[in-house]
Amino acid sequence: EAQVTQNPRYLITVTGKKLTVTCSQNMNHEYMSWYRQDPGLGLRQIYYSMNVEVTDKGDVPEGYKVSRKEKRNFPLILESPSPNQTSLYFCASSLSGTLGDTQYFGPGTRLTVL
Amino acid sequence: KQEVTQIPAALSVPEGENLVLNCSFTDSAIYNLQWFRQDPGKGLTSLLLIQSSQREQTSGRLNASLDKSSGRSTLYIAASQPGDSATYLCAVVNNNNDMRFGAGTRLTVKP
Repeated sequence: EAQVTQNPRYLITVTGKKLTVTCSQNMNHEYMSWYRQDPGLGLRQIYYSMNVEVTDKGDVPEGYKVSRKEKRNFPLILESPSPNQTSLYFCASSLSGTLGDTQYFGPGTRLTVL
Repeated sequence: KQEVTQIPAALSVPEGENLVLNCSFTDSAIYNLQWFRQDPGKGLTSLLLIQSSQREQTSGRLNASLDKSSGRSTLYIAASQPGDSATYLCAVVNNNNDMRFGAGTRLTVKP
């Protein structure tokens, strides 16, 4: 089944404790991205990647890191999480990232930083 | 900078009613507009995609319209069912491939 998977689905952590949220897709998509969703703000893009070893900042990259060493994986790293990073995170992928390509979304990761 | 607004933020209707969800955007230079459905604990599912050159798209009981010049889109749901209860998001893709989401409308269809 074609899908985007994220792990963990739920995470509660404390300020400053490094964490990684994994994202994997099995559709051989070139483009992958991370969003955060907050009440009243909609989805905002954190980082995106057009292909292996190519990553770029989205609208809200501060406090986050990403890497794209393999085509299928695009982990989101929070080196020193803070409470304002409590949010619902979505990973998405699309075939090529060209104009208007349909994005496929993962199920989301709900992160709480205490 | 493109801004996408969805009104109302929440809507509750009795089963069987027809309803309209609204989406507005500030920059009419868009490539396409998509409507998504989001269920609790799940990701986003694409419902309809309208290219900038199109006026509407239909899928089953759903009809999405686009008026690019006025910066508006509507999602019409006919004969609503409890299973339609979800949050509906609209998103626009600009000509620079930047995707912007609205905050969503949370729909509840009561049996």
